[in-house]
Amino acid sequence: EAQVTQNPRYLITVTGKKLTVTCSQNMNHEYMSWYRQDPGLGLRQIYYSMNVEVTDKGDVPEGYKVSRKEKRNFPLILESPSPNQTSLYFCASSPSAGEVPGELFFGEGSRLTVL
Amino acid sequence: GDSVTQMEGPVTLSEEAFLTINCTYTATGYPSLFWYVQYPGEGLQLLLKATKADDKGSNKGFEATYRKETTSFHLEKGSVQVSDSAVYFCAPSDGSYQLTFGKGTKLSVIP
Repeated sequence: EAQVTQNPRYLITVTGKKLTVTCSQNMNHEYMSWYRQDPGLGLRQIYYSMNVEVTDKGDVPEGYKVSRKEKRNFPLILESPSPNQTSLYFCASSPSAGEVPGELFFGEGSRLTVL
Repeated sequence: GDSVTQMEGPVTLSEEAFLTINCTYTATGYPSLFWYVQYPGEGLQLLLKATKADDKGSNKGFEATYRKETTSFHLEKGSVQVSDSAVYFCAPSDGSYQLTFGKGTKLSVIP
């Protein structure tokens, strides 16, 4: 089954304790992206990647890191989490050129709470 | 940059009522336009799209028409069901992979 898989789905952590949210897609998509969803603010893009070893900042990259060493994986790293990073996080991917850009496939989300 | 203004919710309707969720955008060039839906506890999924002016996207009884002259892409459904309860996001694309999402409109349909 074609899907985007995120882990963990739920996490409660404490300020300053490094964590990684993994994202994996099995559709051979070149484009991948991370968003955070907050009440009243909608979805905001954190980072995106057009292909392996190519990453770029989105609208709210501060406090986050990403890497794209393989096409299928795009982990989101919080080196020193703070309470304002408490949010619902979504990973998404999109097929390569030839399809309609903008057709994103989303994971089920990772709810992160930083105490 | 691109921006999108979406009707604020929440919207509460009775089953079989008519639904309209307004969406207007500002964009350079001629973007593709998308509506995404988020059911409770799930990620977003594409509901419908339109890639050029006057195109009508449709899916699951929902429709939206790309109106270049009014820069709008309003979502409509003639008869909503309880299962349509979700959050709906309007999202123009600048022609690349970058989408600008609206803030979302929560729809609740009551029996």
